[in-house]
Amino acid sequence: DADVTQTPRNRITKTGKRIMLECSQTKGHDRMYWYRQDPGLGLRLIYYSFDVKDINKGEISDGYSVSRQAQAKFSLSLESAIPNQTALYFCATSDPYGYTFGSGTRLTVV
Amino acid sequence: GENVEQHPSTLSVQEGDSAVIKCTYSDSASNYFPWYKQELGKRPQLIIDIRSNVGEKKDQRIAVTLNKTAKHFSLHITETQPEDSAVYFCAAQKGSNYQLIWGAGTKLIIKP
Repeated sequence: DADVTQTPRNRITKTGKRIMLECSQTKGHDRMYWYRQDPGLGLRLIYYSFDVKDINKGEISDGYSVSRQAQAKFSLSLESAIPNQTALYFCATSDPYGYTFGSGTRLTVV
Repeated sequence: GENVEQHPSTLSVQEGDSAVIKCTYSDSASNYFPWYKQELGKRPQLIIDIRSNVGEKKDQRIAVTLNKTAKHFSLHITETQPEDSAVYFCAAQKGSNYQLIWGAGTKLIIKP
């Protein structure tokens, strides 16, 4: 299912480096989200966007920033990566019928 | 704000038996309650949802029940099979202008 595409799928980066995770969607949804998932934990919302001009912080936005370049594109940046940002990151879109998640980006900060 | 609690965190059942996962929510204005299944190494996917104007919804071996008075909803899986092994997430939403609030997840293990 390529409706929501995340790149890269896996990334190893060094502490202090800037990194961008990208998300694109072909579903035509206005709403897009970035989540973080740690082992044994649930989905924690980082940022969300209800349209191109609307960006909102989620519960764990510190250390992250986002850019909504177009309806179809929503990127997540770590300005200065730290080891505790090692996690699985999911992008998602939604409409009234539910959320569609991307395949995830596994990020390791060493 | 809304808070969703999910129990148990891990559930182990014998293949063929039933499994029940329960969630409670805090905001009585919540009116949409989906359940997502995440298989190992894969993305969460919607398996069933219920809106506040109904009390129960079924889809083959899975069902969801909602008790608005008690503010809890449950996922029921009957005749469990190995492919039901996964992490299940519940969520609640109080309107189309709000995002989903997620439970912490339940790891369901189906024992052969």
